[in-house]
Amino acid sequence: AQSVTQLDSQVPVFEEAPVELRCNYSSSVSVYLFWYVQYPNQGLQLLLKYLSGSTLVKGINGFEAEFNKSQTSFHLRKPSVHISDTAEYFCAVSDQRNTDKLIFGTGTRLQVFP
Amino acid sequence: DSGVTQTPKHLITATGQRVTLRCSPRSGDLSVYWYQQSLDQGLQFLIQYYNGEERAKGNILERFSAQQFPDLHSELNLSSLELGDSALYFCASSDDRYTEAFFGQGTRLTVV
Repeated sequence: AQSVTQLDSQVPVFEEAPVELRCNYSSSVSVYLFWYVQYPNQGLQLLLKYLSGSTLVKGINGFEAEFNKSQTSFHLRKPSVHISDTAEYFCAVSDQRNTDKLIFGTGTRLQVFP
Repeated sequence: DSGVTQTPKHLITATGQRVTLRCSPRSGDLSVYWYQQSLDQGLQFLIQYYNGEERAKGNILERFSAQQFPDLHSELNLSSLELGDSALYFCASSDDRYTEAFFGQGTRLTVV
């Protein structure tokens, strides 16, 4: 079975600073990896996904993530954040052979200050 | 707009009651997933249906049940409601490749 650990429950950062949100997963099989964002009072929106190929994945709103198989990590990064990036970010994993469900991490609250 | 529609957006009901949450998936998506999001449990997978058949089950209580109809819309039935069932309930849908799930805006259930 897969599991996802998001190491930071909250990440405060000033506007225009870089940010990294950490995600580690556990799985005995090959996986697909995802980052979702949830803005206040809204549903989840896909930021980016890793299915195969290049380990550096670019997503919407200037976010990118790097898949590191040896470290079983999929950290999310942005070189310069905006106030509008304030939201909850969820890392998720699914089994490539049995993609019936996404397993989500507990989320990281990104708070961007002016 | 993800294309996934959930109704109602808000629901307030009393303990012991029964409610039904509805989800219309994106056009063409055969898979529907239900998730519960609460402050203490985070985002929990409840159940998945594929083309009318139950496909996978997660942390779904026996008091909860779901179904997917021939037109592919799905309903989540919650009965004998308890205060702890207060949460956001999300529906998501995906296509056959399962490489991305599209989420609805959620139904916020408050049990008083």
